[in-house]
Amino acid sequence: GIQVEQSPPDLILQEGANSTLRCNFSDSVNNLQWFHQNPWGQLINLFYIPSGTKQNGRLSATTVATERYSLLYISSSQTTDSGVYFCAVEMHSNSGYALNFGKGTSLLVTP
Amino acid sequence: DSGVTQTPKHLITATGQRVTLRCSPRSGDLSVYWYQQSLDQGLQFLIQYYNGEERAKGNILERFSAQQFPDLHSELNLSSLELGDSALYFCASSTHHHSGPGGYNEQFFGPGTRLTVL
Repeated sequence: GIQVEQSPPDLILQEGANSTLRCNFSDSVNNLQWFHQNPWGQLINLFYIPSGTKQNGRLSATTVATERYSLLYISSSQTTDSGVYFCAVEMHSNSGYALNFGKGTSLLVTP
Repeated sequence: DSGVTQTPKHLITATGQRVTLRCSPRSGDLSVYWYQQSLDQGLQFLIQYYNGEERAKGNILERFSAQQFPDLHSELNLSSLELGDSALYFCASSTHHHSGPGGYNEQFFGPGTRLTVL
């Protein structure tokens, strides 16, 4: 199956700082999603981005499909950005398709 | 709010017991997926249903089974529970059964059911 690797595994930022999270994947993909898992466990959709660049407020994402990586940018971080950020790609599994998740980047934003 | 609902939110039970988790997909979505999140295994795909039919299986144990009903809600049945089954179980839904080249098939996740086996 497709391997998904995220870096860094852990990140501590002071409020107001910027950061870049990386996701590498081992094969071409039709679907790549970024999620934020908040401290209450909810998985929140951030981006659906198999290729190209998208922006949503302080967050933006870029996927370079030909080079098999995606980047998530967080600017002017806030304490509410804390949580775990997951990258997931669609994989083929026994005649069907599902998301294969990376291990995540755990982000803590301090006041 | 993703539009995907799951019940119950929390479940505490004993080893050897059987439980049923329920999921209602977003309006209009035909695919339902079940995922398990545990501390040691991370987020893992269990099983997918599309319009009532099983479409894909991941790392789902034989003690676990699922189904999707005509109204498209889905249930995940976990039996002969073991301590290691304690985890957060997510349901997700999407419009189609896969993205395909140039297609769109974003998955949206429910709030999860936290299962504790004592």
